[in-house]
Amino acid sequence: EVQLLESGGVLVRPGESLRLSCAASGFTFSDYALSWVRQAPGKGLEWVASIDGSGGRRYYAVSVQGRFTFSRDNSKNTVFLQMNSLRADDTATYYCAKDRRPSGTGFGFEFDSWGHGTPVTVSS
Amino acid sequence: EIVMTQSPATLSVSPGERATLSCRTSENINTYVAWYQQKPGQAPRLLIYGASTRATGLPARFSGSGSGTEFTLTISSLQSDDSAVYYCHQYVSWPLTFGGGTKVEIK
Repeated sequence: EVQLLESGGVLVRPGESLRLSCAASGFTFSDYALSWVRQAPGKGLEWVASIDGSGGRRYYAVSVQGRFTFSRDNSKNTVFLQMNSLRADDTATYYCAKDRRPSGTGFGFEFDSWGHGTPVTVSS
Repeated sequence: EIVMTQSPATLSVSPGERATLSCRTSENINTYVAWYQQKPGQAPRLLIYGASTRATGLPARFSGSGSGTEFTLTISSLQSDDSAVYYCHQYVSWPLTFGGGTKVEIK
């Protein structure tokens, strides 16, 4: 059974940094791309970033480009989202999501597994 | 960026009736669309991918259709457990985008 377990979400002040983690199990970790999708309170889903299975290719939403860094440690079956210069509009529940298909010729497809999410609040 | 527009924002349907949810895209995305169901306090759940392929274990009352810029999620006989928000998602190009969601309520 695929499991994704996010952690690291807390209350921080504007301008501060935070690192989220997502520990995975139940699949061959390095074969699959993972993504972060966030959801502001009472709002819809917003894609944040994706990383391929090897960690060599990443894509970011414009709203986080230059502030967030997505990385992975395939030896620990874990991905990380380093979030710098946090703003109030980054407040959201952050979900880790797995591609349904192995990242062979591409990645960033439909998401067949999601974690329970970790809440991030940015407020002074 | 490909914009996904879902309608209606809220849909109220009686048990046993059909629910039809629409998703329109600002560009042709072929069939690179997925649908998710999200219940309060829960993570999204994949329902449909490739516009019309049901995810593993999904009841047959859920179906997806469409291609290009117009897509539909149909729940043929609504059950009380189907009360949720439904999102469409395009994955043909970066940035990945989601629709604003349709909330399905049971009358």
